[in-house]
Amino acid sequence: AQSVTQPDIHITVSEGASLELRCNYSYGATPYLFWYVQSPGQGLQLLLKYFSGDTLVQGIKGFEAEFKRSQSSFNLRKPSVHWSDAAEYFCAVGVGGFQKLVFGTGTRLLVSP
Amino acid sequence: DGGITQSPKYLFRKEGQNVTLSCEQNLNHDAMYWYRQDPGQGLRLIYYSQIVNDFQKGDIAEGYSVSREKKESFPLTVTSAQKNPTAFYLCASSIGGGSSYEQYFGPGTRLTVT
Repeated sequence: AQSVTQPDIHITVSEGASLELRCNYSYGATPYLFWYVQSPGQGLQLLLKYFSGDTLVQGIKGFEAEFKRSQSSFNLRKPSVHWSDAAEYFCAVGVGGFQKLVFGTGTRLLVSP
Repeated sequence: DGGITQSPKYLFRKEGQNVTLSCEQNLNHDAMYWYRQDPGQGLRLIYYSQIVNDFQKGDIAEGYSVSREKKESFPLTVTSAQKNPTAFYLCASSIGGGSSYEQYFGPGTRLTVT
C-alpha cells in the first residue's frame, strides 16, 4: 500500500537558519509528490509539487524540494527560515487512477528567535 | 475570488445528533474531497467525488454520508453512528479528469460533539 513517512514530529529552527524537512514515500510507480503547509486552525496551502522532469522543484515562500528516486525521498528545504514559517508541513503522494492523495502525519516547525 | 468555502468554522453538537458540514467551491472543479484531521494523524480521506451524482468511500467512511447534487457543492453529514466525531474537517477540490492531482483546500470546520 502507498504510504508517506515524515519521521520528525517536531523541529525547532532558529530564525535565519536553514531548514530541511524529511519525507519518504512508498509507491511502485512514478509518484506525484506534494508539500503543503498549514497554519493553526487553517486549511492547507500548496507549497510545491513534483510531477516529472527536473528533480529540484521551486515553490512559494522560498521553499524548494528535491526528488530522489533512489532514496524514495522528497525533502523540503529553505535556506533561511523566517518566524512566519512556523506551521505544520505535510508531504503527500498522489496515487491511483483517480487523483487521491496520501498524506504523511506532518512535521510541526517551531522557529526560535 | 475563486476558492472553497466551508461553513461554519466552529460547530458544536450534542451526542446522538446528525450534523451537516457545508462545502462550496467556485473553481469549476469536477472533483471534491472530504478529509478528517486529528492531532498526530495527518489527513484521512472520508469520501470523494469525481463528478456530480457520483461519490466513493475513502479510508474512513463509516459513520459519514455525502451527496453531490451540484458541481459546486459537496456536503458531509456526520451521523450519530460515527463513534468519535470530534475533529477538524477539511474539504478540497481538484480539476479532475486525470489531469492533475493538485488539490485546493478550504479553511476547515472544527466540530465538537459533547
